[in-house]
Amino acid sequence: SQQGEEDPQALSIQEGENATMNCSYKTSINNLQWYRQNSGRGLVHLILIRSNEREKHSGRLRVTLDTSKKSSSLLITASRAADTASYFCATDDQTGANNLFFGTGTRLTVIP
Amino acid sequence: ETGVTQTPRHLVMGMTNKKSLKCEQHLGHNAMYWYKQSAKKPLELMFVYNFKEQTENNSVPSRFSPECPNSSHLFLHLHTLQPEDSALYLCASSQFKLGTGELFFGEGSRLTVL
Repeated sequence: SQQGEEDPQALSIQEGENATMNCSYKTSINNLQWYRQNSGRGLVHLILIRSNEREKHSGRLRVTLDTSKKSSSLLITASRAADTASYFCATDDQTGANNLFFGTGTRLTVIP
Repeated sequence: ETGVTQTPRHLVMGMTNKKSLKCEQHLGHNAMYWYKQSAKKPLELMFVYNFKEQTENNSVPSRFSPECPNSSHLFLHLHTLQPEDSALYLCASSQFKLGTGELFFGEGSRLTVL
C-alpha cells in the first residue's frame, strides 16, 4: 500500500532546539502533507507540498520533498513545549481519487 | 474547533451490541472519510464518500457499515464487533478535487469493545 513511514518513531529535544522528522513512501504521489496530533485528539493539517515542489516554509516549519528518493522531511525550528505532539506524513496514491494514507507518526517531546 | 463534530466522544460496547458513530461537518465540503487509529499502527483509511457516493472501501469487515445521507453527515454503524476493533475512530472532510487536498478532522470517537 502507499502508507508513509515516519522516522524516528520518537524524538525528545530541549526547548529551543530544532526537530527533524523524516517520511518515506512507496509509490508516486501528487502531493505530500504533514499533520500534527495532540494526544487523543484529531489531526490538524500543517502543510502540503506538491510533487513539483522541493521545499516549502510555513512559520517555523520547513518541509522538503525528494521525489527521486520518495522521501520528505519536516523541520521545526526553535521548538517550544507546545510543539509536543505526534507528527504524521500523508500521501495520496496518484490515482486521482482523494484517498490519503498516513504512517505511524513521530512522537515529539519538547522538554521545557 | 475544526468544523467537524463527532459524537459520541467515548463509547463502550459489548460484542453483541449495535451502536452508531456520527460525524457532521459544517465546512461545505463534499468528501467525507472514516479512519481507524489503533496504538502503534498507521491510521487506516476505512471509507471515503464523495458527493454522498462511496468511492473507497478499504477491505473493511462488514460489521462496520457506513452511511452518508448527505454531504454534511456521515455515520458508522457498528454491529457484533470484536475486542480488536477497539480504537479511535476519526472522521474527516475535504473539498474533493483531483488529487487530495487538506483534510479536516474531528476529535474522534474512542471505542472500547468488551
